[in-house]
Amino acid sequence: EDQVTQSPEALRLQEGESSSLNCSYTVSGLRGLFWYRQDPGKGPEFLFTLYSAGEEKEKERLKATLTKKESFLHITAPKPEDSATYLCAVQAGNYGGSQGNLIFGKGTKLSVKP
Amino acid sequence: SQTIHQWPATLVQPVGSPLSLECTVEGTSNPNLYWYRQAAGRGLQLLFYSVGIGQISSEVPQNLSASRPQDRQFILSSKKLLLSDSGFYLCAWSLRTMRNTIYFGEGSWLTVV
Repeated sequence: EDQVTQSPEALRLQEGESSSLNCSYTVSGLRGLFWYRQDPGKGPEFLFTLYSAGEEKEKERLKATLTKKESFLHITAPKPEDSATYLCAVQAGNYGGSQGNLIFGKGTKLSVKP
Repeated sequence: SQTIHQWPATLVQPVGSPLSLECTVEGTSNPNLYWYRQAAGRGLQLLFYSVGIGQISSEVPQNLSASRPQDRQFILSSKKLLLSDSGFYLCAWSLRTMRNTIYFGEGSWLTVV
């Protein structure tokens, strides 16, 4: 069964304290892995898409990496405004025409204290 | 640039009442359109997707229906709401390419009382 597991469920950091969020997945033929940021009461905001193992992408203090079994979202020197829930999702290759059938993890809630 | 609008943002409806959530996308043509639901403590779940006007596919059996009357308009409906329909509903869109990113709207909070 295709599934996505994110860890930890919650992470509290001090401002400037770097860390990583994990997204492990089992899927039949990975088409793409997505990272989103979601603020309370808002829709998810797209961050990155990764397509193949070894791929890396960066945006400001965030860096996403991908292996054949998991993805990491590295946060370098976080600031309080980085506080949000970070969602990981995979798009499997066996979902026919339903390209939007992303399999989402439950997210990691990140809190960055000043 | 493309934008997605979804409304209403919040609504409280009694059990048995009808529902209509609307979503429009601007700045693109022929998008794929999606309705997701996010329940407390659960991941996002795809409810419906559409690859064109009048073309709707349902991913899960439920009390809801979707329609796409225009290319960039997507509507989520129910004739009679159930308590279990409460949740956060998200409209989303993507381009029609093999490698496509899903972009989400701001969401609609539905509370059925």
